[in-house]
Amino acid sequence: KAGVTQTPRYLIKTRGQQVTLSCSPISGHRSVSWYQQTPGQGLQFLFEYFSETQRNKGNFPGRFSGRQFSNSRSEMNVSTLELGDSALYLCASSGTRNYGYTFGSGTRLTVV
Amino acid sequence: AQKVTQAQTEISVVEKEDVTLDCVYETRDTTYYLFWYKQPPSGELVFLIRRNSFDEQNEISGRYSWNFQKSTSSFNFTITASQVVDSAVYFCALSEASSGGSNYKLTFGKGTLLTVNP
Repeated sequence: KAGVTQTPRYLIKTRGQQVTLSCSPISGHRSVSWYQQTPGQGLQFLFEYFSETQRNKGNFPGRFSGRQFSNSRSEMNVSTLELGDSALYLCASSGTRNYGYTFGSGTRLTVV
Repeated sequence: AQKVTQAQTEISVVEKEDVTLDCVYETRDTTYYLFWYKQPPSGELVFLIRRNSFDEQNEISGRYSWNFQKSTSSFNFTITASQVVDSAVYFCALSEASSGGSNYKLTFGKGTLLTVNP
């Protein structure tokens, strides 16, 4: 059974640009959530999607957005990148909340 | 509001020592889920265990064991006879089950960096 796949693994962008990250969940999982990990703030919840609907959103500015497609694949977009957006972005999929979340390997974004 | 505290930022032990990682949580929900994840240098969060709030039984899985005590809001993790391969950052996390928007997410502690020296 394939795990959660995130692409790309590494990304370098310039301040002011925008970026799109992709996440393919485990087959059959309909919930996809995104987290940002930085040395200073740790792991912070960005948003969660289920059947193409955003069910929960963390405390991030509107520059951070996401969407989910009918096949459960999800993308997150960050517009007008800032240096502080440099982080490891992790995606997690879940069949049901009761049984936890499986994480991908993450996308490491560096903003220069 | 939900909160997870891992007071130990870094722990260093010598191989074969036992080590306990502490986790204290705060929640107003009566139904919630607690998790432990391991993050090796590669970055991926590896699931270790899930426990729901109605199951206070301790669990042992090989060299790993978990002690869940609702009375003290703690969910501690012990590695027996540690090995170099156990070196990683370990995260404790909480997920509430109530409606209203606070669910469908994990709230993580800051993590504990465990270094096992040969």
